[in-house]
Amino acid sequence: DGGITQSPKYLFRKEGQNVTLSCEQNLNHDAMYWYRQDPGQGLRLIYYSQIVNDFQKGDIAEGYSVSREKKESFPLTVTSAQKNPTAFYLCASSIGGRKQETQYFGPGTRLLVL
Amino acid sequence: AQSVTQPDIHITVSEGASLELRCNYSYGATPYLFWYVQSPGQGLQLLLKYFSGDTLVQGIKGFEAEFKRSQSSFNLRKPSVHWSDAAEYFCAVGKSGGSNYKLTFGKGTLLTVNP
Repeated sequence: DGGITQSPKYLFRKEGQNVTLSCEQNLNHDAMYWYRQDPGQGLRLIYYSQIVNDFQKGDIAEGYSVSREKKESFPLTVTSAQKNPTAFYLCASSIGGRKQETQYFGPGTRLLVL
Repeated sequence: AQSVTQPDIHITVSEGASLELRCNYSYGATPYLFWYVQSPGQGLQLLLKYFSGDTLVQGIKGFEAEFKRSQSSFNLRKPSVHWSDAAEYFCAVGKSGGSNYKLTFGKGTLLTVNP
């Protein structure tokens, strides 16, 4: 059963702490994306990757970092530099990262600050 | 820069009534257009998409959308709403030229369905 998995479903961060959100896909997609969703704001792109070992900043990359060491995995780290990290984070993937492709989304991770 | 406007933040309809959710985009070339639906606390599911050809596109769950270039619109419609359609709906636009890999999303329309 192919799809995108994100873990954990809920994540709590303390002040000054880095946290990592997991995203795994078994769709054999080359491209993966991270979005941030805030109430009433739609989705905003944080980072995207078209191939292994390569990624680009999106619209709101400050305070975040990513890696793409494997095709199936695209973890997102929310660093202590991100001053307002409370949000719903969505991972997506598409076949090759071209503009006309459908992006498929995971179930999301909700990050809360303690 | 491309942008998407969903003018209605919240819409309430009665079950069985017809539905139209509005989406306007701002982009100079031919856009790629998508509608996604999100249930509370869940990811996004694709309802339908338009790339080219017939301007009336059919999607899942009985939804359809019509691309109107002259109005820069891509409105989503359903003839008879079911209670299970209550969710948030997002319109998105992707560029049609160059190497651009991102979608721009509208801020969403929350749909409430009354019994």
